[in-house]
Amino acid sequence: QKEVEQNSGPLSVPEGAIASLNCTYSDRGSQSFFWYRQYSGKSPELIMSIYSNGDKEDGRFTAQLNKASQYVSLLIRDSQPSDSATYLCAFSGGYNKLIFGAGTRLAVHP
Amino acid sequence: DGGITQSPKYLFRKEGQNVTLSCEQNLNHDAMYWYRQDPGQGLRLIYYSQIVNDFQKGDIAEGYSVSREKKESFPLTVTSAQKNPTAFYLCASLAGVEDTQYFGPGTRLTVL
Repeated sequence: QKEVEQNSGPLSVPEGAIASLNCTYSDRGSQSFFWYRQYSGKSPELIMSIYSNGDKEDGRFTAQLNKASQYVSLLIRDSQPSDSATYLCAFSGGYNKLIFGAGTRLAVHP
Repeated sequence: DGGITQSPKYLFRKEGQNVTLSCEQNLNHDAMYWYRQDPGQGLRLIYYSQIVNDFQKGDIAEGYSVSREKKESFPLTVTSAQKNPTAFYLCASLAGVEDTQYFGPGTRLTVL
């Protein structure tokens, strides 16, 4: 069974701090990894995709992938209250299907 | 405006009724997906379709049915055989290369 593990949180950080979200996955063969943000009652929106080992930066967001350790993380710099949401990690499970974790709830307090 | 639309936003079903959730996209994407999300849980795949007139079961297909007669449309029917259908239903389509899926706004189904 292909799985994604995430700490459910809540992860509470002060405004302006770095929030670090982590995810492990079971499928060594997976090539594609995604972070989605989901506000309460809304649908997920894509934040980052990453396909190669190392870091990928987009604005305040940095995704980090380590395929050997089967680990992917998302760093959010200068966290804002508007970043408060649930962050879903997903990987491609073959045939363009995504396997999702249960998500980590992030709370950024002023 | 390109995007994925789902209707209705909220749907109430009585016990024993079949209901159909609509999903339409004008992004010219070939592949479309239906997920179910329960409170505090991740998304679970119900059905997916990679091309018109073809679809495959996902992890939790029992009690659901789909059709894919047009590229733009992928409706989901929740049948009376689905014992616990109250959930948030999400439709997605695939942006070709790099496996990126984009989601519609979702339909919240409640069984009365």
